Amino acid sequence: NAGVTQTPKFQVLKTGQSMTLQCAQDMNHNSMYWYRQDPGMGLRLIYYSASEGTTDKGEVPNGYNVSRLNKREFSLRLESAAPSQTSVYFCASSLTQGGDTQYFGPGTRLTVL
Amino acid sequence: AQTVTQSQPEMSVQEAETVTLSCTYDTSESDYYLFWYKQPPSRQMILVIRQEAYKQQNATENRFSVNFQKAAKSFSLKISDSQLGDAAMYFCAYYPGTYKYIFGTGTRLKVLA
Repeated sequence: NAGVTQTPKFQVLKTGQSMTLQCAQDMNHNSMYWYRQDPGMGLRLIYYSASEGTTDKGEVPNGYNVSRLNKREFSLRLESAAPSQTSVYFCASSLTQGGDTQYFGPGTRLTVL
Repeated sequence: AQTVTQSQPEMSVQEAETVTLSCTYDTSESDYYLFWYKQPPSRQMILVIRQEAYKQQNATENRFSVNFQKAAKSFSLKISDSQLGDAAMYFCAYYPGTYKYIFGTGTRLKVLA
């Protein structure tokens, strides 16, 4: 039981490049989330998926897109990376969105030059 | 706006001593959930404790306990018999029932040998 996995763990991009962050969970959770963590700002929600087939914007969605590929997988895409997107990205999942505990992946450290 | 405030950016505690991390939140909801997460240097976010607002009894998990004051909108974390492995960033989080978990900016805990 791996929990929540994320790939890659580290990535360096040049401004304007695109990439997709992958996330998968094996806990049969319905809800999945993408956060970014910046120094002094805690975690901010980018997008979430309350259940398979649905996605919705969080607090900071600009510059990102997501795909809930199936119940297990939830990817985050940066179409044209900008230096302001340099951050640590976390994927999380919970059984439902009703106040259940969130389980987090190990994070991806992304640097945009 | 619903916010979570952690007013102590950094705290230190002597090994085997007790430390309390503070968290306050702003809400107009009557039913919600509160969490404390630990983020060690490995970056992995781990649940420490979860509290349901409708329960009067304070949650405990081994050496970790909370002081939940609903009227004061306060949710502090007490760590007893501090250990070197407790050194980490601690995040307070609040779930108001709108699909979105709201995180504080974190408190860095140092444990002194």
